[in-house]
Amino acid sequence: AQRVTQPEKLLSVFKGAPVELKCNYSYSGSPELFWYVQYSRQRLQLLLRHISRESIKGFTADLNKGETSFHLKKPFAQEEDSAMYYCALGETSGSRLTFGEGTQLTVNP
Amino acid sequence: DTGVSQNPRHKITKRGQNVTFRCDPISEHNRLYWYRQTLGQGPEFLTYFQNEAQLEKSRLLSDRFSAERPKGSFSTLEIQRTEQGDSAMYLCASSLSGFFYAEAFFGQGTRLTVV
Repeated sequence: AQRVTQPEKLLSVFKGAPVELKCNYSYSGSPELFWYVQYSRQRLQLLLRHISRESIKGFTADLNKGETSFHLKKPFAQEEDSAMYYCALGETSGSRLTFGEGTQLTVNP
Repeated sequence: DTGVSQNPRHKITKRGQNVTFRCDPISEHNRLYWYRQTLGQGPEFLTYFQNEAQLEKSRLLSDRFSAERPKGSFSTLEIQRTEQGDSAMYLCASSLSGFFYAEAFFGQGTRLTVV
């Protein structure tokens, strides 16, 4: 069965510091991986997906199939990045997303 | 707001009562998903529809839960004989079907409290 693990429930960094949110997955098929973000009092929204290979708000994530990881990185964190971040795995059939437990990122001034 | 809409936003009910939630997806989206989220956890998949057909249900979805999407537009999720363990945020999402997994757009959720 598919599984997504985010080992850190809480992560706190200072403004301007690099940040990395870890995500590991297990899936027997070819995974489609996503990062979703939820800002305070807002709905869950897509941040980026591995298939797009794009950088959103300065964040990037690389799929490492050998390590089954999809870590989210940003070289210089900003206060507005403070939010809950969820890593999610999508089955190729499109039937469901399997989410990790989430990491609450706090960027301190 | 042209996004996914869920009603009500909050529901408090007594144990044993039935509750029904509604989700209005983005109008052109043919896929609709229900998720449940408890405190400190990520969303957990419950069920999904493609148009009016319910294509998959999670084992989490006991026989007290039923979902419908009668005309392929809005959907309802009903919980019968509610239990305290049903207290959670219920999220609806919609997307377009396609070869790759399309972006899912989420509603703001319905928070259920069973007392």
